[in-house]
Amino acid sequence: ETGVTQTPRHLVMGMTNKKSLKCEQHLGHNAMYWYKQSAKKPLELMFVYSLEERVENNSVPSRFSPECPNSSHLFLHLHTLQPEDSALYLCASSHSAAGTTYEQYFGPGTRLTVT
Amino acid sequence: GENVEQHPSTLSVQEGDSAVIKCTYSDSASNYFPWYKQELGKRPQLIIDIRSNVGEKKDQRIAVTLNKTAKHFSLHITETQPEDSAVYFCAASSRSNYQLIWGAGTKLIIKP
Repeated sequence: ETGVTQTPRHLVMGMTNKKSLKCEQHLGHNAMYWYKQSAKKPLELMFVYSLEERVENNSVPSRFSPECPNSSHLFLHLHTLQPEDSALYLCASSHSAAGTTYEQYFGPGTRLTVT
Repeated sequence: GENVEQHPSTLSVQEGDSAVIKCTYSDSASNYFPWYKQELGKRPQLIIDIRSNVGEKKDQRIAVTLNKTAKHFSLHITETQPEDSAVYFCAASSRSNYQLIWGAGTKLIIKP
């Protein structure tokens, strides 16, 4: 167990639904990430929260909305998704400090299917 | 923009032989290069990493080499075993310290 948990593990939703993915880390890290993993593509960074700063990939559609209430919890709110949004959504966490990049620890992922 | 290219996309080797996966990066400011292994249905996990102040690092059967001048780094797995079958991802740190730029992955198949 890496200390990063995600719920739910599997999610099937219609295009008009609203759902949320949850991530929790128990590693004392101060940075959390959302990634999208599609078949035969690089891991796509969607959002980063680090030391209260939020960084987002400008190519992520507005139907994805992150929320980070504290350094241990991260949510991804989903609404009016499209079938091409079906993918594995991975949460990760790491330490964060100026001048140094640290190992990222991943959660098990949420397999999302949009019908 | 920043990018990392990874080759090959699929690699099939005989059990016991060595495997080499190569990555090139574009940002000369990158200074941290991790390798992750993702087994089928599981999360990516770090297997080895290297920082730009060293040229090689080894951990049992796996090693990583870094050529800063050429901006490429490689993963070497010796004496491959069936449990080495997985997808391997390389990454390089970006100018924003806490972000990584990822390669597209290499599916490693170990033939018995």
